[in-house]
Amino acid sequence: DSGVTQTPKHLITATGQRVTLRCSPRSGDLSVYWYQQSLDQGLQFLIQYYNGEERAKGNILERFSAQQFPDLHSELNLSSLELGDSALYFCASSGGQGQTTNEQFFGPGTRLTVL
Amino acid sequence: AQKITQTQPGMFVQEKEAVTLDCTYDTSDQSYGLFWYKQPSSGEMIFLIYQGSYDEQNATEGRYSLNFQKARKSANLVISASQLGDSAMYFCAMSRPATGNQFYFGTGTSLTVIP
Repeated sequence: DSGVTQTPKHLITATGQRVTLRCSPRSGDLSVYWYQQSLDQGLQFLIQYYNGEERAKGNILERFSAQQFPDLHSELNLSSLELGDSALYFCASSGGQGQTTNEQFFGPGTRLTVL
Repeated sequence: AQKITQTQPGMFVQEKEAVTLDCTYDTSDQSYGLFWYKQPSSGEMIFLIYQGSYDEQNATEGRYSLNFQKARKSANLVISASQLGDSAMYFCAMSRPATGNQFYFGTGTSLTVIP
């Protein structure tokens, strides 16, 4: 168990809808990363938050947005969903006190299916 | 652009034998980290091993070792004494402090251990 939790585990929705994926980082970790894993694109970095502030952006679509709250949990919002958004979405955290490497701890993922 | 290359889409190894999974990377940064993660069929991402760009010794973690050849920009994973439970996808990843330490992932290698 990495200590990172993600909800829901599975999500099935229709095209055009909006969903919110939730992530709670490991206790003490300040950084949260979101990744998308799809068959055609592989594992891609979407966005990073550090202590509530956006730190880096990757291949994140304009239809997607994220935020990190004061309690450090994070949400990834996906809107106007398309079939191609079906993927496994991972949250990862790092940056806790005493961490000596940049290892990221991954949550179990949310599997999104858009029908 | 930063890039991770894993040229072996699939590998087979006999149980109890050793296997090497290849990874090459491309960066002009002096400071970076190299990681290997295992993804079983259940989907979670499991951290295996880390190598820092300034580390002179190859990293080892139990049956896992990382063959780091900086001049060749390679970071191959060696699994000794393969077990059936090692059958999984293996991803090589690189992080760069300059950009917030997000991971750049390779396309992965599917390892099958044969009894």
